[in-house]
Amino acid sequence: NAGVTQTPKFRVLKTGQSMTLLCAQDMNHEYMYWYRQDPGMGLRLIHYSVGEGTTAKGEVPDGYNVSRLKKQNFLLGLESAAPSQTSVYFCASSPTRPGLYEQYFGPGTRLTVT
Amino acid sequence: AQSVTQPDIHITVSEGASLELRCNYSYGATPYLFWYVQSPGQGLQLLLKYFSGDTLVQGIKGFEAEFKRSQSSFNLRKPSVHWSDAAEYFCAVGAASNTGKLIFGQGTTLQVKP
Repeated sequence: NAGVTQTPKFRVLKTGQSMTLLCAQDMNHEYMYWYRQDPGMGLRLIHYSVGEGTTAKGEVPDGYNVSRLKKQNFLLGLESAAPSQTSVYFCASSPTRPGLYEQYFGPGTRLTVT
Repeated sequence: AQSVTQPDIHITVSEGASLELRCNYSYGATPYLFWYVQSPGQGLQLLLKYFSGDTLVQGIKGFEAEFKRSQSSFNLRKPSVHWSDAAEYFCAVGAASNTGKLIFGQGTTLQVKP
């Protein structure tokens, strides 16, 4: 099993450009999450999904959109990138109970917006 | 509101020395608590978790953590640190909802001196 994979690994965008980050998991997990990691701030939740076709806002959702059309995929979109969105983005997934909260993380996407 | 505090941003220990990383949480009920480790350039890996029962929990790589309700703490310990333990460590608490969300601390960077 590959676990959680993220595409791409690195990306440089100019301000105002758009892009989509792809997260895929092969563990048949119901729940999926997108985080951003910034120095000294830990991980902050952007959006999450508790099942196919459902999404919800996390702690820092502004400037991002998500979609979960298939259970195994969770897409994070930036419609108009801003320098403040320079960060490392992590996707995670977790099963339902009894494994709820046991999140499995992807390797991350390093995004730079100039 | 729930929160997690890791008081130490950076810790340096000598190889072979013991280690304790501090974590304090704020949560009204019995919390679900976690420690994750992030090696440079990697995603997060679950070290150990506490849900209920024995307050001393064992994890992977020789780590353990003790839940102390009276101190609202969940400190991570290792009796003898190896150079490969150099990484960033995150404490997290499960959010009070059935969504599997985690609230992370700011992280502690561990440096190991030879």
